[in-house]
Amino acid sequence: KAGVTQTPRYLIKTRGQQVTLSCSPISGHRSVSWYQQTPGQGLQFLFEYFSETQRNKGNFPGRFSGRQFSNSRSEMNVSTLELGDSALYLCASSFFAPGELFFGEGSRLTVL
Amino acid sequence: DQQVKQNSPSLSVQEGRISILNCDYTNSMFDYFLWYKKYPAEGPTFLISISSIKDKNEDGRFTVFLNKSAKHLSLHIVPSQPGDSAVYFCAASAGGGAQKLVFGQGTRLTINP
Repeated sequence: KAGVTQTPRYLIKTRGQQVTLSCSPISGHRSVSWYQQTPGQGLQFLFEYFSETQRNKGNFPGRFSGRQFSNSRSEMNVSTLELGDSALYLCASSFFAPGELFFGEGSRLTVL
Repeated sequence: DQQVKQNSPSLSVQEGRISILNCDYTNSMFDYFLWYKKYPAEGPTFLISISSIKDKNEDGRFTVFLNKSAKHLSLHIVPSQPGDSAVYFCAASAGGGAQKLVFGQGTRLTINP
């Protein structure tokens, strides 16, 4: 069974640009969540989608947005990038068990 | 406001001995707790979980204990093996089917041969 796939794995952007990250969940999983990991703040919840609807949102500015498609694949977008957005962005999917998330390897974003 | 805290950034244990990782939480609405393990350059991997209706859950070498009155949980690994060296994250959720997890800062466990 294929795991959670995230693309791209690494990317470098400059301040002010925007970025789109993609996530393909495990087949059959309908919930997709996004987390940001930084050395200072640890793992922080961004948002969660289920059946194309955003069910939960973390405390991030409106520059961070996401969506989920009918095949459960998800994308997140960060506009007007800031240096502090440099982080590992992790996508996770789950079937239904509360909290048992299966994580991808992440997309490491560097903002210069 | 850190709702889930892992006060030990690192822990070093001899191979074969017991590793005990600790986690405290402040939000009494949390009703489901999990431990994840993370190796460098990989995403976190689910290890073990416990519902607030239990005080102990075992899975092989891993046991999680929950003390609701103290808002404290711990992960015991017995016996510790070199492959257990990783960063361990404690996480909690407030249920309702939502997948929003609140993570601790992590504890780096090193198992010495």
